[in-house]
Amino acid sequence: SQQGEEDPQALSIQEGENATMNCSYKTSINNLQWYRQNSGRGLVHLILIRSNEREKHSGRLRVTLDTSKKSSSLLITASRAADTASYFCATALTGTSGSRLTFGEGTQLTVNP
Amino acid sequence: DAGVIQSPRHEVTEMGQEVTLRCKPISGHNSLFWYRQTMMRGLELLIYFNNNVPIDDSGMPEDRFSAKMPNASFSTLKIQPSEPRDSAVYFCASRGTGGLNQPQHFGDGTRLSIL
Repeated sequence: SQQGEEDPQALSIQEGENATMNCSYKTSINNLQWYRQNSGRGLVHLILIRSNEREKHSGRLRVTLDTSKKSSSLLITASRAADTASYFCATALTGTSGSRLTFGEGTQLTVNP
Repeated sequence: DAGVIQSPRHEVTEMGQEVTLRCKPISGHNSLFWYRQTMMRGLELLIYFNNNVPIDDSGMPEDRFSAKMPNASFSTLKIQPSEPRDSAVYFCASRGTGGLNQPQHFGDGTRLSIL
């Protein structure tokens, strides 16, 4: 099964509102990353939070990580129509096969003008 | 700086044909990843290279798929023979030195349709 699972699968809000997306995972991780994907484009890295960090900010983005609950959340404040995209969490872990990311299925965010 | 460059952007071909996807990673990056994205299965890692050496190819679906990285600035993913179920968007990503705590940078993908 997927290491990272996002919730909700889809979210529709009005411009100016905040958007919160959640991610749960199953095993211990080195870090957790959030990516955005606009339609027809590749994924773009947003923010990385390490396993020993609890909260991180970048502009209008705020990410939290709770390793005891194996969960993370991405908050986008004062959303804009341009934030419309799919958002993916990805867990990074090192194993016998080197280091890799495992992506969740994503949350489709629609911000209505 | 130029990002990860993939070609072609779109490929439509008939089943049984050989398909070659190409990727130029960001200069100076030492890890390269090939992913496949479909509605049904999401984003799957196919194979990744570190310093041009394949490290994990456990995601390669079957022997019809092969990937090479002859040098630090070029990689190919080949499907031979292609089948309709291979239709997907294939992404290449690269990552700088520093390993796991570095972000991955994605190209815009190749949309592959096998008829």
